[in-house]
Amino acid sequence: GENVEQHPSTLSVQEGDSAVIKCTYSDSASNYFPWYKQELGKRPQLIIDIRSNVGEKKDQRIAVTLNKTAKHFSLHITETQPEDSAVYFCAASSDSSASKIIFGSGTRLSIRP
Amino acid sequence: DTAVSQTPKYLVTQMGNDKSIKCEQNLGHDTMYWYKQDSKKFLKIMFSYNNKELIINETVPNRFSPKSPDKAHLNLHINSLELGDSAVYFCASSQRIRTDTQYFGPGTRLTVL
Repeated sequence: GENVEQHPSTLSVQEGDSAVIKCTYSDSASNYFPWYKQELGKRPQLIIDIRSNVGEKKDQRIAVTLNKTAKHFSLHITETQPEDSAVYFCAASSDSSASKIIFGSGTRLSIRP
Repeated sequence: DTAVSQTPKYLVTQMGNDKSIKCEQNLGHDTMYWYKQDSKKFLKIMFSYNNKELIINETVPNRFSPKSPDKAHLNLHINSLELGDSAVYFCASSQRIRTDTQYFGPGTRLTVL
């Protein structure tokens, strides 16, 4: 069945360094790839998303890249700050009525001061 | 203004009981969802409604029954609660099905004793 794999499961980086989280998906019909951030005890919130008609999208310190051929997409956070510490989830879905919304297993990002 | 709200925030109950969680959104969205997040933080979709019609129904025990009285509300009723039902349940809404930003509620932490 459809699957989204996310790596790494935990990531610790020095404040100011960059962090990269990677996801691969199995359903070639997937055309929407959001990233959600969930702080401890809070709800998931969208931080950035990308659709299959573009290869890269940036929003200040956050960027997402998509490789449709390889079926993987990545989240890049530059100049990390303490408030970036959270669990990050990728997801994949499509407009197809048979499509499921599948989330990755999450990456716990810790920023070391 | 709260965009997506859920009640109650915490729910502690005995095995075998029946309980309900309520969700309301004031964003004017057509689609609402229920997710289950287990202790390992896996986020899995359970149900999705579009304009009060059930669209996505994942492999969930039939003890779980969603009800959508109108587009702004999606409630979750759980019969004969089991220990394994303990989790955080999130309601969410989006304008379009599957390929749009999802706005999550604050979550309901269900503990079955």
